[in-house]
Amino acid sequence: DQQVKQNSPSLSVQEGRISILNCDYTNSMFDYFLWYKKYPAEGPTFLISISSIKDKNEDGRFTVFLNKSAKHLSLHIVPSQPGDSAVYFCAAAQFGNEKLTFGTGTRLTIIP
Amino acid sequence: DARVTQTPRHKVTEMGQEVTMRCQPILGHNTVFWYRQTMMQGLELLAYFRNRAPLDDSGMPKDRFSAEMPDATLATLKIQPSEPRDSAVYFCASSAGNTIYFGEGSWLTVV
Repeated sequence: DQQVKQNSPSLSVQEGRISILNCDYTNSMFDYFLWYKKYPAEGPTFLISISSIKDKNEDGRFTVFLNKSAKHLSLHIVPSQPGDSAVYFCAAAQFGNEKLTFGTGTRLTIIP
Repeated sequence: DARVTQTPRHKVTEMGQEVTMRCQPILGHNTVFWYRQTMMQGLELLAYFRNRAPLDDSGMPKDRFSAEMPDATLATLKIQPSEPRDSAVYFCASSAGNTIYFGEGSWLTVV
């Protein structure tokens, strides 16, 4: 049973445009959400997080939006750059519990 | 530059052989995780430890997999006997809070 779902396995976006990656979750106990980025042959690296007391968190070109009623979050990257080409994993947890549940990932390709 | 270190980076082995993967967590991190990456399941949690004590190994096939932390600087994941379906990338990660830091992974191929 996949508690965190990323329904788009891949996404291609033109350089300079906005990339929007989506994630849905089913467990209403989750109250902390993270995005990780993974390059080939490397481990995932932390990108940005959001707790359920917020609906938006911004860090430079990256913004995460959380819609608790829809159990949906999204990662916006604007403007997209070639170095953003990677696999992006959405993850969820109960705050204070270090155990993360990950989605299956979305491969983002930025087209120059 | 603190990082999680995993060995081996790559391993090809024959079905039925024992495989041991090792991990050195970031110094001071008291929680250590083993994840497996597959195309179908993404990143699956196999097991994790806090202060060297196993907290959850429900994601691990018990009959062939075992995970231990002999000391605070070493975590091991052992597969015996290995099977072709175990072929995947195995990640060790450590944390001291809500952010998990991953190693570069051990790429396992069982033929």
